[in-house]
Amino acid sequence: KAGVTQTPRYLIKTRGQQVTLSCSPISGHRSVSWYQQTPGQGLQFLFEYFSETQRNKGNFPGRFSGRQFSNSRSEMNVSTLELGDSALYLCASSLEGLARETQYFGPGTRLLVL
Amino acid sequence: QKEVEQNSGPLSVPEGAIASLNCTYSDRVSQSFFWYRQYSGKSPELIMSIYSNGDKEDGRFTAQLNKASQYVSLLIRDSQPSDSATYLCAVTDYTGANSKLTFGKGITLSVRP
Repeated sequence: KAGVTQTPRYLIKTRGQQVTLSCSPISGHRSVSWYQQTPGQGLQFLFEYFSETQRNKGNFPGRFSGRQFSNSRSEMNVSTLELGDSALYLCASSLEGLARETQYFGPGTRLLVL
Repeated sequence: QKEVEQNSGPLSVPEGAIASLNCTYSDRVSQSFFWYRQYSGKSPELIMSIYSNGDKEDGRFTAQLNKASQYVSLLIRDSQPSDSATYLCAVTDYTGANSKLTFGKGITLSVRP
């Protein structure tokens, strides 16, 4: 079974631009979560989508948004990019998004904001 | 605000030794606990999950959970150079549909040949 895939793998943007990242979960997985990883803050939860609905949300500004499609693929959008948004963005999928389920991480998208 | 703390690193052990990684959490309602391993430049992968007090063993790895003291630990026996990685502790509430993981900042383990 194919793992979680993320595109693009690397991205360079400038301040003020917006960016869209994509995540395809493992086949059959309906929950997709997004995380931001930086050296200073570590791995931080952004939001989780299940059945095309945002079910959980972390403490990030409204510039960070996402959506999920009927095939469970998910996109994350960051508008008005700031230098501090430079990070590794990881998505993870699980079957139903239940607390005890294993979350499988994708390879990540490394975003650099100049 | 839920917090997950991992003892300061990095940690360096000789090959064949036992590596002990500790993690404390602040939220008493935390119910599910996970250890992820992340190699440099790679994404996290799950090593162990534990939900009940006590020990859980899987090969060379043992997870220990003490909910009264609010800590969870990971022991790696017979450490190998291939175990050199960053180990992330994560917790979540067992409230059904809540897969939000709160991670510690990780501890970097180096196993010296």
